[in-house]
Order: sequence, then C-alpha cells, then structure tokens
Amino acid sequence: QKEVEQNSGPLSVPEGAIASLNCTYSDRGSQSFFWYRQYSGKSPELIMFIYSNGDKEDGRFTAQLNKASQYVSLLIRDSQPSDSATYLCAVNLDKIIFGKGTRLHILP
Amino acid sequence: DAGVTQSPTHLIKTRGQHVTLRCSPISGHKSVSWYQQVLGQGPQFIFQYYEKEERGRGNFPDRFSARQFPNYSSELNVNALLLGDSALYLCASSLSPTGELFFGEGSRLTVL
Repeated sequence: QKEVEQNSGPLSVPEGAIASLNCTYSDRGSQSFFWYRQYSGKSPELIMFIYSNGDKEDGRFTAQLNKASQYVSLLIRDSQPSDSATYLCAVNLDKIIFGKGTRLHILP
Repeated sequence: DAGVTQSPTHLIKTRGQHVTLRCSPISGHKSVSWYQQVLGQGPQFIFQYYEKEERGRGNFPDRFSARQFPNYSSELNVNALLLGDSALYLCASSLSPTGELFFGEGSRLTVL
C-alpha cells in the first residue's frame, strides 16, 4: 500500500529560526512531490513542488528531495508566527496521496 | 481569475440521506479531484476525473460516486449517509492528472 509518513508534531520553533519538516514515502516510482500549508479551518494551499533530486528554493522555503532514501523535506528560514499551520506532504504516482501533516508552531 | 469554487460551504444532513457537492475548477483545468478530510488527518483521495473520464478511485464504498461535466465542473454524490461521513470535502483542480492541485474552500458536511 502506498503511504506517505509525517511526524504529526507539534513542532515548536522560535521565531526567526529554521523550521525543518520531514516526509518519507513508500513507493519508489513516485515522480512528483508537493508541500501544502493548511491553516486551521481552511483548505490546503500549495507552497512548493519538486520533481528532481536536490534542493529547490522559493523565498524563505526550500524543498529537498532524495529519491534514493525516499525522503522529502521542507525548510522554512526566518520562521514567522504566520507560518504556524499544518504542513502536508503529498506524493504523486498515479494519484496524489497526502500524509497526515505536521503541526508547526512558531514561538514569538 | 477565479479559483476553485465549491458549493455548498456548509451543510447538515441526517443519517440515511443523500448529499450532492459541487465544484467548478479553475478555468483551463481539465482535471478535478475529490478528497475527504477528517479532523487531524490529511486529505484522503476519493476520485479523480480527467476529460470527463474517471481516472482514479480511492478506497471508499460504492455509496460515493462522482461525475464530471462537459464544462469540467464536477459533482460528488454520497448516498445513505453515515455519521462517519462527517468531514470536510475538498475539491481540487489541476491542468493535468499529475499536476499540482489547487483546492477550493471545501464543503463541510455534518451528519446527525
């Protein structure tokens, strides 16, 4: 069964520090990977997608993919209180499967 | 440009009733996917439609059905509602079946 695993948290990070969110997936055939942010009571919002091994940067966000280790991560630099949310990792093979999400709390 | 729109936003039903949820994708998007999200969990895949054909179905009972119309809008139908069907139902559209999903605000269903 195809699975996406995330630590549910909460992950508490001081304001201004780097938040590191991790995700593992079970299917080696997965080709595309996504990070979504979901505020309480709202729908998921796409932050980043990554298809190739290595790093992809967009502003304060960096996605890292290691297909050999079946591991994808999201780094948030200079964390802000507004970054407090649940972060969902999603993996696509023939359909997009989501992890349970990691709750991130930025401490002011 | 308008994003993904869903209706209704909130609804309350009783056990055994039927519900229809509607979704309009982003203009130009031909793929629509439906997800169920219960509190504390990630979205669970229900259906994907592309070019009006069912492309994938998740592990949900036959009480769940969907369709996509010629204008690429979509409906999700749930028959014989159970208490456990209470959830946020999310519709997402994408340019292609494997592309990034863009979500609507969701339809929050409460079954009493």
